[in-house]
Amino acid sequence: QSVLTQPPSVSGAPGQRITISCTGSSSNIGAGYDVHWYQRLPGTAPKLLIYGNNNRPSGVPDRFSGSKSGTSASLAITGLQAEDEADYYCQSYDSSLSHHVIFGGGTKLTVL
Amino acid sequence: QLQLQESGPGLVKPSETLSLTCSVSEYSNSSGYYWGWVRQPPGEGLAWIGSIHHTGSTYYNPSLKSRVTISLDTSKNQFSLRLSSVTAADTAVYYCARVRIAFVNWFDPWGQGTLVTVSS
Repeated sequence: QSVLTQPPSVSGAPGQRITISCTGSSSNIGAGYDVHWYQRLPGTAPKLLIYGNNNRPSGVPDRFSGSKSGTSASLAITGLQAEDEADYYCQSYDSSLSHHVIFGGGTKLTVL
Repeated sequence: QLQLQESGPGLVKPSETLSLTCSVSEYSNSSGYYWGWVRQPPGEGLAWIGSIHHTGSTYYNPSLKSRVTISLDTSKNQFSLRLSSVTAADTAVYYCARVRIAFVNWFDPWGQGTLVTVSS
């Protein structure tokens, strides 16, 4: 059971906007810790998608955006494309676990 | 562009020690980074194992701390993971990654990952 809760799956049609939630608690996201997001395309290594809640590394399209509020964070993808079909993971810290790194359970995005 | 590649046995017997090496294409002793390991058991999410700084300081997931050792060999541009007394629960894809030191550290880039199965 992951400390950060993500929906197991989401889906959307090409061109649509989807969001993936990452729900934590007062000891992690709610404590003010930043959230990062990773994308893992089929058969490839995870790739940093968003860091520091809402910052995109160089090369990541602006169709991807992140936000954080209270004890939750969200990843939004606009203009959904077939190549966005992947697993997405959120990551943060938890103060109840000696500040160690925590991940969400992952969300499988299916582009219909 | 920095690249990382994991290597090591794909099959380990229960109670033995899992040993993996991560080869780094461009090693940097910048104080701004750690080098870390993350694993993903089949059907489960990602789990941080531990990280090491170029000074040798190590940080481990408390749930694995008693069994984990991460070390660095800068002469070979490599860092390594040893996990002792393995059980079937340690079967997972193991990833190495560079860890950016920040308010909340992040992992970038990652290696491709290597599947380690614990079985007799």
